Amino acid sequence: AQSVTQLDSHVSVSEGTPVLLRCNYSSSYSPSLFWYVQHPNKGLQLLLKYTSAATLVKGINGFEAEFKKSETSFHLTKPSAHMSDAAEYFCVVRRNNAGNMLTFGGGTRLMVKP
Amino acid sequence: NAGVTQTPKFQVLKTGQSMTLQCAQDMNHEYMSWYRQDPGMGLRLIHYSVGAGITDQGEVPNGYNVSRSTTEDFPLRLLSAAPSQTSVYFCASNGASSYEQYFGPGTRLTVT
Repeated sequence: AQSVTQLDSHVSVSEGTPVLLRCNYSSSYSPSLFWYVQHPNKGLQLLLKYTSAATLVKGINGFEAEFKKSETSFHLTKPSAHMSDAAEYFCVVRRNNAGNMLTFGGGTRLMVKP
Repeated sequence: NAGVTQTPKFQVLKTGQSMTLQCAQDMNHEYMSWYRQDPGMGLRLIHYSVGAGITDQGEVPNGYNVSRSTTEDFPLRLLSAAPSQTSVYFCASNGASSYEQYFGPGTRLTVT
C-alpha cells in the first residue's frame, strides 16, 4: 500500500525567507511523486513531478524538490518566499503500474508574512 | 480547450435527495477520476475510469455511483445524500501515458 505524510499542517514564513515543506512517502513500488498547489477557492495546479529521472526536480514559480530514496522523502523548497506563494500544498504519490491511483497527503497550508 | 469542466459549482441538498455532479473533458484523455476534499485529509479517490465503459472503485466509493459511456464525460451520482457527503468534489483527467492529472475547478456540496 502507498501513503504520504506531510509533516506540518501549517508553515509560516516571512516574505523573502526560504520555504521548506516536508513530505515522507511509503510505497511498495518505485513511486512517481508530485507536488500540487491549491490557492484559496481554486482548483489544483501541478508544481512539479518526479518520475524516476533526475532526483532534483525543478518546478514552476521557483519551487524544487529532491527525491531521497534512503529517507523516503520528497521535500519541497523555495529559496525566497513571495506573498503569492500563500496557498495549500499537497504531496502526492502515484504507483507507476497501478492505473489511476493518486494518494494525497493531508496538505500543508503555507502562510507568508510581509 | 476548456480542459476539465464541472457543474454545478455549488449545490445544497437535503438528506435523502439524489443528484448528479457533471464532469467533462475535451482533451481526449483515457483516464478520469473523482476525488473528494475534506479539511486535513487531502483529496481521496472515490471512483475512477480507465476508458469508456470501464470504472473502478477508489478509497471511498460508498454512497456514490459512476458510469463512463463516452470518453468525454464522467458523471458522479449521489443516490441518497447524507451529511457525511458534505465536501468539495474534484474531477480529474489524464492521458494513459501521462503522469499529470488535470483537475476541474470543483463542486462544493452541502448536505443538510
